[in-house]
Formats: sequence, C-alpha cells, structure tokens
Amino acid sequence: EAGVVQSPRYKIIEKKQPVAFWCNPISGHNTLYWYLQNLGQGPELLIRYENEEAVDDSQLPKDRFSAERLKGVDSTLKIQPAELGDSAVYLCASSLSSGSYNEQFFGPGTRLTVL
Amino acid sequence: GDSVTQMEGPVTLSEEAFLTINCTYTATGYPSLFWYVQYPGEGLQLLLKATKADDKGSNKGFEATYRKETTSFHLEKGSVQVSDSAVYFCALRSEAGTALIFGKGTTLSVSS
Repeated sequence: EAGVVQSPRYKIIEKKQPVAFWCNPISGHNTLYWYLQNLGQGPELLIRYENEEAVDDSQLPKDRFSAERLKGVDSTLKIQPAELGDSAVYLCASSLSSGSYNEQFFGPGTRLTVL
Repeated sequence: GDSVTQMEGPVTLSEEAFLTINCTYTATGYPSLFWYVQYPGEGLQLLLKATKADDKGSNKGFEATYRKETTSFHLEKGSVQVSDSAVYFCALRSEAGTALIFGKGTTLSVSS
C-alpha cells in the first residue's frame, strides 16, 4: 500500500517568489493535515481538511499561505510571497477520519529553503 | 494550552545500552499520548501509543507507560541497536482535539 506522497522533496527559492507543495494522501483517507516543522522543533499544525472542507486553519498565516483540496483527495499548499523565515520542512499527513483513535500517517515532507 | 516537553538531545549511546527519553505533558482531561520516530530521510512513523492512564504502549522493544499522576510518558528500551538511531518525538492529542501536539524531538545516536 502506498503511503502519503509529497512533492517536491526539496525546493530552493529566492525570497518573494511563490512556491507550492503537493500532497497525495493514502487512498480512502478523508482527513488531511499540513504541518510545519522548523529546524530543531516538532511539527505544528497549519491546516486540517475533512474531505474538501478546511475545518481547522486557525494556525495558517492567511496573508501569504493558502491551501486547497478541491476534490477531497490530493492537496496543495502555497506560499506567496515566500520569506526567509518560511525555510522549514512542510509535512503532510492523512488519516481515515479525524477520530482520536485513527492513526495519522506522515509523508516524507518537503524541505523548503528560502534564500 | 496543551504542550509537550521532552529531554534535550542529542543522546549518544553504545550498542546494547539502556535508553530512556523523558517526556512530560500539560493538558486538561485525558489526552492520548504517542511516540513517533523519524529515521533519516523518512517521514514520521508512529512507534507506540497509549490512550488512558496506566496503559503501556510497546513496539520493537520500546515501551512507554502513561503516568497520569506525574503527567509523563517516558520512552525506554532495554538494549538499543545502531538501527535505532533516529529522532524521537513525544506527542499528545487532547480529548477534544484532532491535531497532534509535538515535543521538540530528541536525537538518538547509537554507535557499535
């Protein structure tokens, strides 16, 4: 069974440029999460989707970050424009549903470097 | 708010040594507790979990017991191997929440 797929694995951009990350969750998983992991820190939730609906985006910096999950399957996270402080690893995770008994499966992440 | 504190790393051990990584939490009610492991170049993987007080989670020789009285969930392994070298994250999920709240991670390096 394929796990959570993320691309690209690495991205280097100049500040003020836009960037997008893509995530394909495990087949059949209705809940999708985007986490931000800064260097030396644990992941922190940015946004959670239930199918195509964003149900928790309170930690998403909406002035420059946006996300979508149009058909309730794969998802895209965008930053425009990127800032130096956005350099981090962006993790995608999925679970069958948001119930507390459902394990979250993580992708390998996209490592973003902003120069 | 809810939070997780785990011991600073890196932890450096010789093969077959005993491992303890301390984790304490702050949360209301009865959260579920987790240990995740991240091997180099890979995504986070669930190592073990416990969902109520006094539960013991175990997997691959690792164990952790949910201690409500000390709000702790320390990770232990009796004999570590070189292949256990990774970053270990303690995490919680509150009764009402769905997102995981992670500690900062502890890097374990095991040498032969």
